Amino acid sequence: KNEVEQSPQNLTAQEGEFITINCSYSVGISALHWLQQHPGGGIVSLFMLSSGKKKHGRLIATINIQEKHSSLHITASHPRDSAVYICAVRRPGTSGSRLTFGEGTQLTVNP
Amino acid sequence: EPEVTQTPSHQVTQMGQEVILRCVPISNHLYFYWYRQILGQKVEFLVSFYNNEISEKSEIFDDQFSVERPDGSNFTLKIRSTKLEDSAMYFCASREGRSQHFGDGTRLSIL
Repeated sequence: KNEVEQSPQNLTAQEGEFITINCSYSVGISALHWLQQHPGGGIVSLFMLSSGKKKHGRLIATINIQEKHSSLHITASHPRDSAVYICAVRRPGTSGSRLTFGEGTQLTVNP
Repeated sequence: EPEVTQTPSHQVTQMGQEVILRCVPISNHLYFYWYRQILGQKVEFLVSFYNNEISEKSEIFDDQFSVERPDGSNFTLKIRSTKLEDSAMYFCASREGRSQHFGDGTRLSIL
């Protein structure tokens, strides 16, 4: 079983819709990252969370440490939001702070 | 905003040859990472590097692989005697504080 599970694997939405992507993890963590991977392959860090909630523009990320669950929300979605969204966790005590990644969620927003 | 830069963007190599993938981390960052993403699969940790030595490596990072920081700016991943299954996207990342910053990746194709 993967240590980091994302759902859904694929998501298609109409422009303007509210989108939620979920991430569950089965290990103790010191931080959780949400990343965006563009069609060309490049990876951009969106959020790093260790508790609570963060907001940046139309993006909101939340984490519930007790339930080992995080969500990424996109409000008023736009076709340019189309990308793969990846959840990754950092384990506590790992000397190099390596990240363990989920499989990613492919988001397609249609105009 | 400072960026992690990787060269080349695409490398095509014959099986059995050696390749060197290059990365220039963000200048004041002290922790460096290499990750790999085989086409259609999730991103996997290879190695982390701090203070001129490997701080952690995965089971993937065997004797075929090596990393080096030959000068004050470059961070390289060398793959010896390449195999078909080494074909993947290779990402470099650097960190100062808690957030990792990723390069755009090098797509390695082994023929």
